Amino acid sequence: NAGVTQTPKFRVLKTGQSMTLLCAQDMNHEYMYWYRQDPGMGLRLIHYSVGEGTTAKGEVPDGYNVSRLKKQNFLLGLESAAPSQTSVYFCASSYPPGEQFFGPGTRLTVL
Amino acid sequence: AQTVTQSQPEMSVQEAETVTLSCTYDTSESDYYLFWYKQPPSRQMILVIRQEAYKQQNATENRFSVNFQKAAKSFSLKISDSQLGDAAMYFCAYSNSGAGSYQLTFGKGTKLSVIP
Repeated sequence: NAGVTQTPKFRVLKTGQSMTLLCAQDMNHEYMYWYRQDPGMGLRLIHYSVGEGTTAKGEVPDGYNVSRLKKQNFLLGLESAAPSQTSVYFCASSYPPGEQFFGPGTRLTVL
Repeated sequence: AQTVTQSQPEMSVQEAETVTLSCTYDTSESDYYLFWYKQPPSRQMILVIRQEAYKQQNATENRFSVNFQKAAKSFSLKISDSQLGDAAMYFCAYSNSGAGSYQLTFGKGTKLSVIP
């Protein structure tokens, strides 16, 4: 099993550009999450999904959109990137209340 | 809203010695879960140990154990016989079924250095 994978691992964007981060899991988990990690901070929840076709806002959702068209995939979109979105992004999945399994992270820089 | 506080931004320990990382949390819920995650320089988030609030017995995983004090809302991690590979950021996290999300609320982390 690959567990949780994220694509891409690194990306550099210019302000105003758009991009989509892809998260895939092969553990048949219902719940999936997107977090961001900034220096000196723990991870903060952006959006989450409790099942295929459902999404909900987390703590810091502004500037991001998500979609969960298939159970195994959870996409995070930035429509118009801003320097404040420079961060490391983590995807996670779980079968609650069990542990969350994390992907390797995507380092995004917005110039 | 729940909050998680890690009061030690950095800690160091001699190899083979024991170190305790502190974590406190604030919640009005009675049923919840607590976790310690390790993040080495590779950036991967790795679960170290988990504690269910309804269990009175402290969780243990090999060299890792917790001191869970529910009334004090304290959840410290003890690492025994520290090894060089234990050097990492350690995050305390809280989860419950509120709003059905089971989302994790993280502390800001403690950077642990292991001195050979």
